[in-house]
Amino acid sequence: DSGVTQTPKHLITATGQRVTLRCSPRSGDLSVYWYQQSLDQGLQFLIQYYNGEERAKGNILERFSAQQFPDLHSELNLSSLELGDSALYFCASSAGGRDFEQFFGPGTRLTVL
Amino acid sequence: AQKVTQAQTEISVVEKEDVTLDCVYETRDTTYYLFWYKQPPSGELVFLIRRNSFDEQNEISGRYSWNFQKSTSSFNFTITASQVVDSAVYFCALIAVDTGNQFYFGTGTSLTVIP
Repeated sequence: DSGVTQTPKHLITATGQRVTLRCSPRSGDLSVYWYQQSLDQGLQFLIQYYNGEERAKGNILERFSAQQFPDLHSELNLSSLELGDSALYFCASSAGGRDFEQFFGPGTRLTVL
Repeated sequence: AQKVTQAQTEISVVEKEDVTLDCVYETRDTTYYLFWYKQPPSGELVFLIRRNSFDEQNEISGRYSWNFQKSTSSFNFTITASQVVDSAVYFCALIAVDTGNQFYFGTGTSLTVIP
């Protein structure tokens, strides 16, 4: 058990809908990372937050947004969903700064029908 | 531009053989980090190692060892005396710190260890 929790574990929704994925980092970790893993695109980095502030941005679509709250949990919002958004979404946390030793959550499997 | 190449898509070895997973990276940043992750069949991602660009010392952790060579832009991963539990997909990744701290992943190498 990495100490990182993600909810929900599975999510099935329809095209055009909006969903929110939630991540709680390990106790004491200040950084949260979001990744998308799909058969088409492989493993892709979406975004990183550090203590509530956006730290790095990867291949995150404009339809997607994220935030990190004062209690350090993070949410990834996906809107106007398309079939191609079906993927496994991982969250990871690390202590922060230049400490990139990440601990991963179990992932949320999103299926868009 | 940053890029990570894992040319080996799939590798099969017999238990107890040694196996090396190759990783070649491209970056113009002088400050960067390299990583290896493991994704077993159960699907979770496991961080294995990070190495920064200023530390070319090789590292050994049990049966795992990593060889970082800046001269060839490679960060190879060797498993000694492989075991069935090593069967997984292994990803190599790069963060280029000078240009925004983005992660760049290779396409992964699927390792199967045959008993």
